[in-house]
Amino acid sequence: DVKVTQSSRYLVKRTGEKVFLECVQDMDHENMFWYRQDPGLGLRLIYFSYDVKMKEKGDIPEGYSVSREKKERFSLILESASTNQTSMYLCASTSGGTYSSYNEQFFGPGTRLTVL
Amino acid sequence: KQEVTQIPAALSVPEGENLVLNCSFTDSAIYNLQWFRQDPGKGLTSLLLIQSSQREQTSGRLNASLDKSSGRSTLYIAASQPGDSATYLCAPLGTYKYIFGTGTRLKVLA
Repeated sequence: DVKVTQSSRYLVKRTGEKVFLECVQDMDHENMFWYRQDPGLGLRLIYFSYDVKMKEKGDIPEGYSVSREKKERFSLILESASTNQTSMYLCASTSGGTYSSYNEQFFGPGTRLTVL
Repeated sequence: KQEVTQIPAALSVPEGENLVLNCSFTDSAIYNLQWFRQDPGKGLTSLLLIQSSQREQTSGRLNASLDKSSGRSTLYIAASQPGDSATYLCAPLGTYKYIFGTGTRLKVLA
């Protein structure tokens, strides 16, 4: 079975802290994604990666950075957490190369981050 | 820029009804379209993937159709059950990556 795991289900941090969210997939997928989901705004893409050490900005990259040192692991970093980064963070991965009709996204369970 | 609309935003039906969820998108240059289910506080579960060359896909009581030229996809759920209660999202994959609709929140009453 396809599996995407995220390091925490719930996380509470203080303003100004550096926060690491980790995502691991066991499907040997090339592509990995980080989204945030907020009520009324839907899912918005933060960053994605097509290969190890490759990264591209999504629609809302400000305040975030990412790291992909190994194919199976994609980390999201909040350099200095702020209250407006309180959200549900979802990681996903796809196989099938880049922009292919065979790309199918698989999601992790999500991390609910609260910044106080 | 791709925009995705899902109608209705919310739906409440008695158990056993057949129902249709709609997804429309503005840019027809897509590689595929995926339907997901999301339970409250959880991640997204993939239901069906329709490739751009396909017209429909079926899985159990679910059937999804795709009409690229008109920018529409529908998800048909047969004989709905209380366990189908969830939010359903569609996401076309295009040049600018996956764009998600805000979903249809479905409640099936026992």
